Amino acid sequence: DGGITQSPKYLFRKEGQNVTLSCEQNLNHDAMYWYRQDPGQGLRLIYYSQIVNDFQKGDIAEGYSVSREKKESFPLTVTSAQKNPTAFYLCASSRPGSAEAFFGQGTRLTVV
Amino acid sequence: GENVEQHPSTLSVQEGDSAVIKCTYSDSASNYFPWYKQELGKGPQLIIDIRSNVGEKKDQRIAVTLNKTAKHFSLHITETQPEDSAVYFCAATYTSGTYKYIFGTGTRLKVLA
Repeated sequence: DGGITQSPKYLFRKEGQNVTLSCEQNLNHDAMYWYRQDPGQGLRLIYYSQIVNDFQKGDIAEGYSVSREKKESFPLTVTSAQKNPTAFYLCASSRPGSAEAFFGQGTRLTVV
Repeated sequence: GENVEQHPSTLSVQEGDSAVIKCTYSDSASNYFPWYKQELGKGPQLIIDIRSNVGEKKDQRIAVTLNKTAKHFSLHITETQPEDSAVYFCAATYTSGTYKYIFGTGTRLKVLA
């Protein structure tokens, strides 16, 4: 089945540690996105990538980093510079010429 | 900057009644308006969308209306069922280049049996 897979579903980390969230898609989509979701708020764009080896900052990129070495993969690293990293993180992708975004199931990150 | 306002934040309806969620966008260049349904602990799923050249679109019990002049669009769910209970997000984007969605803050819909 085609889709977007995020792993792990739940992630716990100590404050000050970097952590990487995985996002893999087998939909052959060019564009991929990372969103952050906090209670009572809409989804906010962290980073996006239109093509391999290229990515752009979204609205809340500070404290995060990404890479896009393969079309299928768009990992997100939450660094120790992110002041409030506890949140639900969503990865999405879209195919060329289409505005429809397909979302993964999300990763809930808790920093203690 | 671009903004999408969504109301209400919570909505409770009796099973079988209708539910209406409204959004207002600020960027006049927006021309694509999807609605997503998010169940607890899951990622959002597209349920219906509308483009700026259309005023209304229906899909069974779900409909979306768009007023470009007022920059308003709304989701209508008729004959609500308990499985409609979820958080609904509206979004706006423009179909040129990368589709950077601007999302509303979500509406938690509860359908009471």
